[in-house]
Amino acid sequence: DVVLTQTPPTLSATIGQSVSISCRSSQSLLHSNGNTYLHWLLQRPGQSPQLLIYLVSRLESGVPNRFSGSGSGTDFTLKISGVEAEDLGVYYCVQGTHAPWTFGGGTKLELK
Amino acid sequence: QVQLQQSGAELAKPGSSVKISCKASGYTFTSYYISWIKQTTGQGLEYIGYINTGSGGTNYNEKFKGKATLTVDKSSSTAFMQLSSLTPDDSAVYYCVREFGVGYFDYWGQGVMVTVSS
Repeated sequence: DVVLTQTPPTLSATIGQSVSISCRSSQSLLHSNGNTYLHWLLQRPGQSPQLLIYLVSRLESGVPNRFSGSGSGTDFTLKISGVEAEDLGVYYCVQGTHAPWTFGGGTKLELK
Repeated sequence: QVQLQQSGAELAKPGSSVKISCKASGYTFTSYYISWIKQTTGQGLEYIGYINTGSGGTNYNEKFKGKATLTVDKSSSTAFMQLSSLTPDDSAVYYCVREFGVGYFDYWGQGVMVTVSS
């Protein structure tokens, strides 16, 4: 199975600070059809995960544009440009290129 | 609006089975797969598999073959997951998720906590 390694495991930030989370894959996530099926989720405390970004960099409807995604192949990054209080929680990357779909271990974003 | 409403928490004994439901509303049920995901503190998020809500066809993560059985009732827009031969390792929160394919999970149920204990 594909292993997704997220760093850092915990991230402390102040409101307004910009932060980045890395997701590295044990295999290239470039599908033979040319798409890269790497997505990002946020799980707020006590809630179900929600989709933030799909296909590496596409913002899900209703997600603020302070979130952005980038990367290719095996290295991917989620950036938050100006953390807000509602952004606190655990971020996960997930891949849908190689079955079975797998998730990163999560990055917990907390207030400094 | 799209909603996935899951059944309530389960307390089960080792060796028994439980069946969790996931009732969908707010969209055409048979247009999307329903996937199931396990969340534990130790193992994080794990993909169990999906059911094609139109055909009833299923695809399982090898790890969960023999453990999980996915079914669907199109008449009530409800998906089910049965977990069998329960052990304490099956204690977790289980989510049903609408999947567009390729790991694109756009709507999640509220989760069901399953506790396996004697």
